[in-house]
Amino acid sequence: SQQGEEDPQALSIQEGENATMNCSYKTSINNLQWYRQNSGRGLVHLILIRSNEREKHSGRLRVTLDTSKKSSSLLITASRAADTASYFCATDVGQNFVFGPGTRLSVLP
Amino acid sequence: ETGVTQSPTHLIKTRGQQVTLRCSSQSGHNTVSWYQQALGQGPQFIFQYYREEENGRGNFPPRFSGLQFPNYSSELNVNALELDDSALYLCATARQQETQYFGPGTRLLVL
Repeated sequence: SQQGEEDPQALSIQEGENATMNCSYKTSINNLQWYRQNSGRGLVHLILIRSNEREKHSGRLRVTLDTSKKSSSLLITASRAADTASYFCATDVGQNFVFGPGTRLSVLP
Repeated sequence: ETGVTQSPTHLIKTRGQQVTLRCSSQSGHNTVSWYQQALGQGPQFIFQYYREEENGRGNFPPRFSGLQFPNYSSELNVNALELDDSALYLCATARQQETQYFGPGTRLLVL
């Protein structure tokens, strides 16, 4: 399996509900980042969490990091149709960032 | 808008041809990384350049090569194109190893 893996692979929710996506990784990291991608376009950076941090918030986003379990979660609260996208976690491994296969989120109006 | 631009946006080539993709860096970003993203997959790291030197490489053959210029813009060259090279190619720039800012990508189709 890959360094970073998100689950679930796909998630479908109603507008207004919360969406939670998880990411697991294998090796030690300095930081973990979450990105969003709309319809095969460029990735948009959402949030970076460092290995010595446990939780971070940005607007409707909440990210947690558990280095003992090598896992992270991304929570999107009060979801909107515009949140429909693929979400990726990326971990720094040496000189590069390793992305998981992503979670495809569909928010239905 | 991340301030990172890529050209061209779309490209069609045939097997065996060569292609050059370009990426302009956001001001002050001296690191550029290139990724290949196949349909339905996450981006796969190709290589990274820091101050015009290659600074790390993923599991891609030597026919994938790159350049970074003094203004920190960059090129990705792919020789002897294969059908499996069809993908979205993304560049990302950063200041050191911090947050990477992605361009919109170049979609390459190899026939």
